[in-house]
Amino acid sequence: AQSVTQLDSQVPVFEEAPVELRCNYSSSVSVYLFWYVQYPNQGLQLLLKYLSGSTLVESINGFEAEFNKSQTSFHLRKPSVHISDTAEYFCAAIGSNQGGKLIFGQGTELSVKP
Amino acid sequence: GAGVSQSPSNKVTEKGKDVELRCDPISGHTALYWYRQSLGQGLEFLIYFQGNSAPDKSGLPSDRFSAERTGGSVSTLTIQRTQQEDSAVYLCASSPSGYNEQFFGPGTRLTVL
Repeated sequence: AQSVTQLDSQVPVFEEAPVELRCNYSSSVSVYLFWYVQYPNQGLQLLLKYLSGSTLVESINGFEAEFNKSQTSFHLRKPSVHISDTAEYFCAAIGSNQGGKLIFGQGTELSVKP
Repeated sequence: GAGVSQSPSNKVTEKGKDVELRCDPISGHTALYWYRQSLGQGLEFLIYFQGNSAPDKSGLPSDRFSAERTGGSVSTLTIQRTQQEDSAVYLCASSPSGYNEQFFGPGTRLTVL
C-alpha cells in the first residue's frame, strides 16, 4: 500500500533549540516529496519539495529536508526554532501512476515554547 | 497573482440538506484536486481533475459526493443528503500539471448539525 508515515504526532521544543520532524514513505509511492505547513486557522502552505536533483532541499525560513532513498525517509530539520514556527507540519508524497494526487502523513504538531 | 480561492469559507447545514462547495484554481493550472481534512482521518484525497475530466474519483466516500469542473477552471463539489460525518474542512488544490507541487486554497469548513 502507498503510505506516508510521520512518526511523531506532537513535538514540543524550546525556542532556539534544534528540531527534527520525521517522515518515512513506502517504496510504492513516487519520489516526489513535500513538506507542507499549516499555521493555526490557516490553509496548507508548501514549505519545501524534492522532485529531483540534490537530495538536500532548503526553505527560505531555515528549514531543510534530506531525501534518503535507502532509508525511504524525508525528515525535516531546523537548527534553531522560533515561536513563530509553531504549526502543524505535513509530509506528503505523490502516489505512483495516480495523476499526481498527494498522499499525506498524519501530521506533526510542532509546539515551540519560550 | 491570485491564489486558489474557495467559497464559502464556512458552511453550516442541517442533516439531510445538499451543499455545494466552490473552488477557483490558479489561472492556467490544468490539474485540480479536492481533499478533506478531519480530526479522525487526517488529510484524505477525494477527486482529481485534469482539464474537465476526472480520471480519479477513488477517494469519494459515497455516491452522495460528486464533483464537476467546467471550462478547465472552476470546480464544484456537491454533497447530497449531508450526514454528520461529512463535517470537515474541504480543501481544493491546483497544480500546473499532474506531477508537481500543489497550491492549496484556504478551505471550506462544513458543519452538519
